Amino acid sequence: KNQVEQSPQSLIILEGKNCTLQCNYTVSPFSNLRWYKQDTGRGPVSLTIMTFSENTKSNGRYTATLDADTKQSSLHITASQLSDSASYICVVSVLTGANNLFFGTGTRLTVIP
Amino acid sequence: EAQVTQNPRYLITVTGKKLTVTCSQNMNHEYMSWYRQDPGLGLRQIYYSMNVEVTDKGDVPEGYKVSRKEKRNFPLILESPSPNQTSLYFCASSPPAGHGNEQFFGPGTRLTVL
Repeated sequence: KNQVEQSPQSLIILEGKNCTLQCNYTVSPFSNLRWYKQDTGRGPVSLTIMTFSENTKSNGRYTATLDADTKQSSLHITASQLSDSASYICVVSVLTGANNLFFGTGTRLTVIP
Repeated sequence: EAQVTQNPRYLITVTGKKLTVTCSQNMNHEYMSWYRQDPGLGLRQIYYSMNVEVTDKGDVPEGYKVSRKEKRNFPLILESPSPNQTSLYFCASSPPAGHGNEQFFGPGTRLTVL
């Protein structure tokens, strides 16, 4: 069964600290994996995409990793800011099928001063 | 500005009163989709459309209808809303979904059914 699981469900960190969010998937055949950021009351926005051949990709203070063998991805946030407070959603797509997106339930990150 | 718009943004209604939530995109995207988002359940797909006049059920289609008469519009229709349809709804669009393309989400519609 195609599934995407994220952990932790929620996380509270102090401003300036680093954190890592996890995404494990059983989706197959794998096409790519995206991390979305969803600010409260707004729609999700893509942060980064990981394809099968990519291990690491950075977007400013956000660094995503992918281990296609263990089917795990992580999103590392460096030097967190209050504006990083949001939900982070992992979305995995498969190569086959007309509708091929599988969503994680997200991690709710709160950065406190 | 490239965007997905939804209307209304907030709606409070009563059980059984038909309503329509509109969705429009200006990016000439083929693929459009509706999601509902509930606490602890994440985004769940209601319906999607691969192109004009092509729609199909997602994971939670019961109680909803859609239509795709034009490429830019993809309205969500609740013929007889019930309280369990109280939720936050998002419309999204992308180039053909078959390549795992980035989805562009609208701002959301918060629906309360009393």
